Amino acid sequence: DTEVTQTPKHLVMGMTNKKSLKCEQHMGHRAMYWYKQKAKKPPELMFVYSYEKLSINESVPSRFSPECPNSSLLNLHLHALQPEDSALYLCASSQERGGNTGELFFGEGSRLTVL
Amino acid sequence: AQSVTQLDSQVPVFEEAPVELRCNYSSSVSVYLFWYVQYPNQGLQLLLKYLSGSTLVKGINGFEAEFNKSQTSFHLRKPSVHISDTAEYFCAVKRTSYDKVIFGPGTSLSVIP
Repeated sequence: DTEVTQTPKHLVMGMTNKKSLKCEQHMGHRAMYWYKQKAKKPPELMFVYSYEKLSINESVPSRFSPECPNSSLLNLHLHALQPEDSALYLCASSQERGGNTGELFFGEGSRLTVL
Repeated sequence: AQSVTQLDSQVPVFEEAPVELRCNYSSSVSVYLFWYVQYPNQGLQLLLKYLSGSTLVKGINGFEAEFNKSQTSFHLRKPSVHISDTAEYFCAVKRTSYDKVIFGPGTSLSVIP
């Protein structure tokens, strides 16, 4: 069983909708990540939070808005998405960005379809 | 800049046969190396990692990989595959603790009964 929990597993939304993806981990990890993955492709890094502060934004469009309310939770707020944003969104965590090997622990993902 | 190459995009193999998935990387400095597996409709899971020391690394589910510094390779092997090994396999590299993980394009392993 994965120790990183993502909800919902599936989400269908229109281009004018506002929705959120949620991620939770209870491993005491201090770094959390959002990745986007298209079919048959590797994950693409979107955002990194380290100690609840945004440390990396990979030039992601503003229609994606991350939030880290506390050390266990990570949200991704979605607004005015485009059909090409349809993908599997993966949350991951690691012990911390520095001082370790950076092994990533992934959730099972939220599959997003934008109509 | 770092990069990761996985030479085979698809590898079909019969059940109980051995398999090798190839990974090459480029980096001017020492790196950490990883193999992740992604089963259908799931997230990624770490199979094994090379940090330092012994070049032969054993992972979960009977997989192992060998780090070859001179050839900048980190090939993944399993002596006898099962149907349940059908999945996407990603090689990944990381230069330092603060660096981003760079994933290779992936190899789709299909085990044929």
